Amino acid sequence: DVKVTQSSRYLVKRTGEKVFLECVQDMDHENMFWYRQDPGLGLRLIYFSYDVKMKEKGDIPEGYSVSREKKERFSLILESASTNQTSMYLCASPTEAEMNTEAFFGQGTRLTVV
Amino acid sequence: AQSVTQLDSQVPVFEEAPVELRCNYSSSVSVYLFWYVQYPNQGLQLLLKYLSGSTLVKGINGFEAEFNKSQTSFHLRKPSVHISDTAEYFCAVSDQGGSEKLVFGKGTKLTVNP
Repeated sequence: DVKVTQSSRYLVKRTGEKVFLECVQDMDHENMFWYRQDPGLGLRLIYFSYDVKMKEKGDIPEGYSVSREKKERFSLILESASTNQTSMYLCASPTEAEMNTEAFFGQGTRLTVV
Repeated sequence: AQSVTQLDSQVPVFEEAPVELRCNYSSSVSVYLFWYVQYPNQGLQLLLKYLSGSTLVKGINGFEAEFNKSQTSFHLRKPSVHISDTAEYFCAVSDQGGSEKLVFGKGTKLTVNP
């Protein structure tokens, strides 16, 4: 089974802190994604990465950055956390069959910024 | 660019009743279509997918969906729901160009009552 693991289920951080959300996948996938989930808004793409050290902005990258130093690990960074970044964060890694088939998701990290 | 509209944000039903969750998409290119389910405090899990071929797709837990190209719809159905089907359901689309980027709808919260 593909495993996508997010390091924390729940986090509470203070406004202005630098926050790291970690995601690890164990299937040697090249592609990894970070989404943010908010009630009534569904999932919105923050950043994605097609390979080590490669990253591309998604639909809502402001206030975030990412790091992909190793293939299995994709980190989401909140440079200076703000209360409007309180949300559920989901990491995903899709299979790489000939046709796009399925994205595997981590359990999510519920971040509260106080 | 693709977009997905889930027409109902909440759907309450009684146990053993049939249910349909509606999804419409827009895209200028051919697409792949997906339904994901999210149980409380968990990540997303693939329910079913349409890639090509038969327009009626069967998934896990007795769910099925029908791709209708002329109506750009991909509605999810189950003939008889259980309490355990209570969850949030997300419709998603990706283009067949291989970008592997999923665009999600805002979700439909299905509540099955006894």
